[in-house]
Parts: sequence; C-alpha cells; structure tokens
Amino acid sequence: SQQGEEDPQALSIQEGENATMNCSYKTSINNLQWYRQNSGRGLVHLILIRSNEREKHSGRLRVTLDTSKKSSSLLITASRAADTASYFCATPTSGTYKYIFGTGTRLKVLA
Amino acid sequence: KAGVTQTPRYLIKTRGQQVTLSCSPISGHRSVSWYQQTPGQGLQFLFEYFSETQRNKGNFPGRFSGRQFSNSRSEMNVSTLELGDSALYLCASSPGQGASYEQYFGPGTRLTVT
Repeated sequence: SQQGEEDPQALSIQEGENATMNCSYKTSINNLQWYRQNSGRGLVHLILIRSNEREKHSGRLRVTLDTSKKSSSLLITASRAADTASYFCATPTSGTYKYIFGTGTRLKVLA
Repeated sequence: KAGVTQTPRYLIKTRGQQVTLSCSPISGHRSVSWYQQTPGQGLQFLFEYFSETQRNKGNFPGRFSGRQFSNSRSEMNVSTLELGDSALYLCASSPGQGASYEQYFGPGTRLTVT
C-alpha cells in the first residue's frame, strides 16, 4: 500500500461543522505535508509539519503529528462550502527527493 | 510572484503518438517535480529535477522522460502513447532540493489519449 493513506476516503458534513481526516504512513519521515485539490485542478499546499512538531495551526486548520503511531490528522473547523475538495497528505521517502501522496479524502461540505 | 504555469492545459492525442508538456516554475525555484494523477492510481511521482539534473525517478517506463533547462523550466515527454497514459499531469516547483520544502503546483495538463 502507499506510504500515505488517508481515512476516511470520503466525508460529507454540514456547513459550520468540523471535519477531521487522518493520514497514516509507513517509514520514518522528517516532515509531513497536507494539500488540497479542487475538482481535478492543481494542488494547493496547506501545512508542513516537521517531525519534531506535534501540532500546527493555520487559520481554521489544525494539524497534529504522532510519529510513534506514524499518523497525522487534519482538522478543519467551522467548515464552509468552499472547503469542498480532496485533501492529501504527502510524505518524503527516506533519503530521496520523492514525495509519496496518499489516496486522499474527498470532503463535501453541504450548504 | 507568478505561480507555476503549465502548457498546454488540455491535449488530445492518438495512441502511438508522442507528446511534450511544459512547466515554468515560480521564479527562483530550482526544483521541479512531475506527477501523474489518474482515478485508479492516484498521484504518482514521475521525476524530479534540480539544477538541470534528474535527482529521482518514479516507477514509470522509459517512454516517460524529462529535462530541465538552465532557466529551471522543465519539459516532460511521453513517447508511443498508450490509452493508459490519459491522465492529469501535474508539475510542482520548490525553492530547494530535498524533502523539507513545500511544493507549489501548477494547474496541470489534462492529456487524453484516444
């Protein structure tokens, strides 16, 4: 399976609710990144969290990293219809410049 | 700064033909990576260039090749196109080499092979 795997695969919530998606990875990493993709377009970088960080915030986004469990979570608070997108985690493979993207979580926020 | 640009945005080719896609990174970025995105396989890494040198390559056949020019612009070429090459091809640039930098993606080139 892939280095990064997101869970759930799809998520549907009402506007104003919080959305949480998880990412698991297999090997040790020095950072983990989250990206958003709107409907088949290019990806937009959201947050980079380094292996020595446990939590990071950016606006309505909160990312946690648990290196002992090899997992990360992305929380979007007070979701909006504009947050409807696919969200991917990406981890660099050890010793290379190659990023491995997870399968993504498709988030749908209903107005 | 202008973002990453990719040309063309859409392309329709016939099986057996070849295609060249272009990517212009953000000014000052020297690393360019290419990805293929399909519904079945997701986002897959093709290759990464830094200072005109290919630093890493994904698990794709030799029909997929690329290069980077001295101004950091990059091209990727796919020869002898197959139906399975239909995909969104994404280019990403990064300010530095290595896995400690965020990547900035272009809008992609959607290739359809008929």
